[in-house]
This record gives sequence, structure tokens and C-alpha cells, in this order.
Amino acid sequence: DGGITQSPKYLFRKEGQNVTLSCEQNLNHDAMYWYRQDPGQGLRLIYYSQIVNDFQKGDIAEGYSVSREKKESFPLTVTSAQKNPTAFYLCASAGTYKETQYFGPGTRLLVL
Amino acid sequence: DQQVKQNSPSLSVQEGRISILNCDYTNSMFDYFLWYKKYPAEGPTFLISISSIKDKNEDGRFTVFLNKSAKHLSLHIVPSQPGDSAVYFCAASGGGTSYGKLTFGQGTILTVHP
Repeated sequence: DGGITQSPKYLFRKEGQNVTLSCEQNLNHDAMYWYRQDPGQGLRLIYYSQIVNDFQKGDIAEGYSVSREKKESFPLTVTSAQKNPTAFYLCASAGTYKETQYFGPGTRLLVL
Repeated sequence: DQQVKQNSPSLSVQEGRISILNCDYTNSMFDYFLWYKKYPAEGPTFLISISSIKDKNEDGRFTVFLNKSAKHLSLHIVPSQPGDSAVYFCAASGGGTSYGKLTFGQGTILTVHP
């Protein structure tokens, strides 16, 4: 089955700790995206990548980092610099029509 | 500065009736609009879209209307079904970007009662 997967479903972060959220897709899409969703708000773009080995900051990139070493994978690291990391994180990918994005099931990050 | 707004946090509708979800935008450079549907603890799924050169797009029970002069779009679901109960996000694209940047509204929770 073609799709986009995210792991883990829930992640707990201690103060000062970096954590990495996984995102994998087998849709052969070039573009991948990371969004953050907070209660009562829409999705906000953190980082995006249009092609392997290239990525760009979105609207709220501070405190996050990404890599794109493989077409299928776009992991997101939430660093200790992100002071308010508790949120629902969504990864998406897109093919030719980049506005039509396919989303993974999300990872909920909680701070201990 | 919220460029895409969904002013109704929730909407409750009886099964079989019409559901109308509304969305307003402020950026006149937006030229493509989409609706996504989201169930709890899942990622959003694409529902329907419309280009700014059109004022209506229809797909089965779902119709999106675009009023460019009012910077307003709406999603009509007819007839509504209990399985349509979800959060609906409108999103806009354009403004000179080409990488698929979407600006999302806050979402509207639709509840369809049997």
C-alpha cells in the first residue's frame, strides 16, 4: 500500500532533550513538508523540502531542524531551543500538484 | 496576521440536511483553494479544490464556491451524513510561491446527527 507513515504516535520529551520524529513515504513524491498543529489553530509550516538534499524554512522553523538524505524520508528534530514543543506534528508529501498534499497520521509530542 | 479564517469553530447539522462551511481570506494573491477533512488523531485528507479562475467546483456530495470579490469560499455538503463528522480545514495557496505552501484556517468541527 502506498502511503505516508509517521512514528512514533506519541513522544515524550524531557527538558533540554532533542527528539526526532520520523516521516517516511513510498508515494515517490519529491516534495515533503512538516506542519505543527496547536489546539484551535490551523496547521503551520515548519520546514519543507522540494528535492533530496535540499530543504527550506517555513513560517515557524525556529527550534527545529530537518534532513533530506533520501527521497522517502524527512525526519524532524525538535531541539531544546524549541521552548513550546507540545503539539501535534504532521508530515505531508506531494507529487506534481504540490498543493494536493498527502498527510501522515501525525505524532503527538508531550513535554515531561 | 491570520490570512485564512474560519470564523465558525463548530457546526451541527441533522443527517440529510445541507452543511455549509465558510472560509474568508485576506491575501488577494491566493489563487488556489482547498478543503481538507480531518478525523481525530489522523492526518488531514484532501477533499476538494478550486482554482481562482472558477467560481464553483463539484465532486459528488461536495461543492466548493468561490467569491473572489468578497474573498470568501464555502463548502457545501449535500446530503450530510454522520460519517462526514470531522474537522474541516480550508487552505489557500499562491502569492508567488511554487513549492506548495499552504496557509490553513483554524478549522471547523462539523457534527452530523443521525
